[in-house]
Amino acid sequence: AQTVTQSQPEMSVQEAETVTLSCTYDTSENNYYLFWYKQPPSRQMILVIRQEAYKQQNATENRFSVNFQKAAKSFSLKISDSQLGDTAMYFCAFMKGTGFQKLVFGTGTRLLVSP
Amino acid sequence: EAGVAQSPRYKIIEKRQSVAFWCNPISGHATLYWYQQILGQGPKLLIQFQNNGVVDDSQLPKDRFSAERLKGVDSTLKIQPAKLEDSAVYLCASSLVLAGGRKETQYFGPGTRLLVL
Repeated sequence: AQTVTQSQPEMSVQEAETVTLSCTYDTSENNYYLFWYKQPPSRQMILVIRQEAYKQQNATENRFSVNFQKAAKSFSLKISDSQLGDTAMYFCAFMKGTGFQKLVFGTGTRLLVSP
Repeated sequence: EAGVAQSPRYKIIEKRQSVAFWCNPISGHATLYWYQQILGQGPKLLIQFQNNGVVDDSQLPKDRFSAERLKGVDSTLKIQPAKLEDSAVYLCASSLVLAGGRKETQYFGPGTRLLVL
């Protein structure tokens, strides 16, 4: 079974600074997808970024980028130029590339961006 | 484009009572998911539908939980009877199904927060 570990329960950063959230996962699969989801206090889960395991290039979406280290099974999220609206829970998630489209989530990291 | 809709947003019941949640996915999304998110944890998949058929319900406590997706659009999740440990947020999500096996992004609704007293 796949597991996802987020070892940082809470992180704080000031506006305009850069923060990195950590995620490691365990799988025997070679074909899979990784995601970062954001869940603001209103609780609507929103996709931040996704990475296909077969792609060597790290995914980027504006201020959000990932550092995908397949051999180390590590998938960290970097948020540049942090904004107050980035305050939220961030969940790392794994999905097998074959079979059911089941997301396996980590326990989340609470990020607080302060002025 | 309208997002995933869920109702009610909040529900408080006493243990052993019944409760039902409703979900309307994004138009055209054939796959629908119900997740349970207990406080302090990440969401856990309860059941997945493709159109009106169940494709994965391995983590659904079938002695008390049931779900249906009649006509392949809206879905309801029911708990009967509820236990204290069922207190959680119930999230509905939907996604497209495309040819070629590519896994599509899941879009989540706002969730229903259930408190069982």
